[in-house]
Amino acid sequence: EIVLTQSPGTLSLSPGERATLSCRATQSISNYLAWYQQKPGRAPRLLIYGASTRATGIPDRFTGSGSGTDFTLTIRTLEPEDSAVYYCQHYGRSPTSTFGLGTKVEIK
Amino acid sequence: EVQLLESGGDLVQPGGSLRLSCAASGFTFSTYAMSWVRQAPGKGLEWVSDISGNGTTTSYADSVKGRFTISRDNSRNTLSLQMSSLRVEDTAIYYCAKENYYDARRFDQWGQGTLVTVSS
Repeated sequence: EIVLTQSPGTLSLSPGERATLSCRATQSISNYLAWYQQKPGRAPRLLIYGASTRATGIPDRFTGSGSGTDFTLTIRTLEPEDSAVYYCQHYGRSPTSTFGLGTKVEIK
Repeated sequence: EVQLLESGGDLVQPGGSLRLSCAASGFTFSTYAMSWVRQAPGKGLEWVSDISGNGTTTSYADSVKGRFTISRDNSRNTLSLQMSSLRVEDTAIYYCAKENYYDARRFDQWGQGTLVTVSS
């Protein structure tokens, strides 16, 4: 089973700063990686798929990159509404799916 | 507009059973595979199960295999999850999620979830 490790566990930054979130897979998953944002009490929302393609309606300050085993979600110019937990997910060819444990982004 | 509305969550004793439902609207339900994803209180997301658009193919996480059964009624645009032999560790919010047409288990839309509590 593919395991996704996200780091850091928590990121505390000020508005306008850049956030860099990491997701590492235990084996190559090509670009079958998605990122989701979840705010308290809400369902997750798809941000990025195919490692780097923004989902419909996602602001361009969210950028995904990487392939193989190492992936990054960058939030350029943080805004207060970006406070959330961000999950990476492997999907696609495998008959199952796995999520990372999440990175909590706090806005100071 | 895609809408997914879960129902059926409840408090149930260990060893008990429960059936969750998800009413879908705003898209051609039979075209899309659907999943259940759960989230234990204060924890991360865990994919539980999915079913193909025509209902012929199903998959399960090892943690629920043999205890949970996913099904769908395309005539009623409804997804279901029959849960049996429930354990305390099955306590979670259960979300139904619409999969992308091209990418299996990529979740384009989610419902708001229904809470299942397993406790004596």
